[in-house]
Amino acid sequence: ETGVTQSPTHLIKTRGQQVTLRCSSQSGHNTVSWYQQALGQGPQFIFQYYREEENGRGNFPPRFSGLQFPNYSSELNVNALELDDSALYLCASSFLDRGTGNTIYFGEGSWLTVV
Amino acid sequence: AQSVTQPDIHITVSEGASLELRCNYSYGATPYLFWYVQSPGQGLQLLLKYFSGDTLVQGIKGFEAEFKRSQSSFNLRKPSVHWSDAAEYFCAVGKIQGAQKLVFGQGTRLTINP
Repeated sequence: ETGVTQSPTHLIKTRGQQVTLRCSSQSGHNTVSWYQQALGQGPQFIFQYYREEENGRGNFPPRFSGLQFPNYSSELNVNALELDDSALYLCASSFLDRGTGNTIYFGEGSWLTVV
Repeated sequence: AQSVTQPDIHITVSEGASLELRCNYSYGATPYLFWYVQSPGQGLQLLLKYFSGDTLVQGIKGFEAEFKRSQSSFNLRKPSVHWSDAAEYFCAVGKIQGAQKLVFGQGTRLTINP
């Protein structure tokens, strides 16, 4: 068990709707990242938050946005859902110290199906 | 740009046999290297990691990996596989400094024959 918890575990949304996924980081970790894993693929980096600010972004459109809260929990928001957004969304947490990273731990993921 | 190649999409081995999963990476500096395992419908579990030092890294569940800078490889090995090792295995590379973006390979699906 990694100490990274995500909710909900499964959800179904309709194309065009908005979704919010939540993540609670491992205790003591100050960095959270989100990844999208389509079926049969490796995870793709969406973005990372460090001390409540975005600290790196992958090749995802602006309708993918996030927040990190003072307690280091995080949200991933996706607006205007498309069918291709159907995937497993993974949250990962780690401790970033003076720019040098450490082990990255993943949660169990949230399965999103867009119909 | 960083990239990771796992040449084998699917590997089948017999229970008790040895295993080697290949991983080649492209990165312009000293990388962080990871192996994760994913069971169906589950998240990613860290098997082992390489940051620096000894190039032979020991992990959980009897796995080990060897970092070979000259070959840009980080292959995962296990001397004797168990039926419970059947899963998807992902190799990943990350930066040492700054944003900890991991770049993953496509994964290798491991099937174990009884």
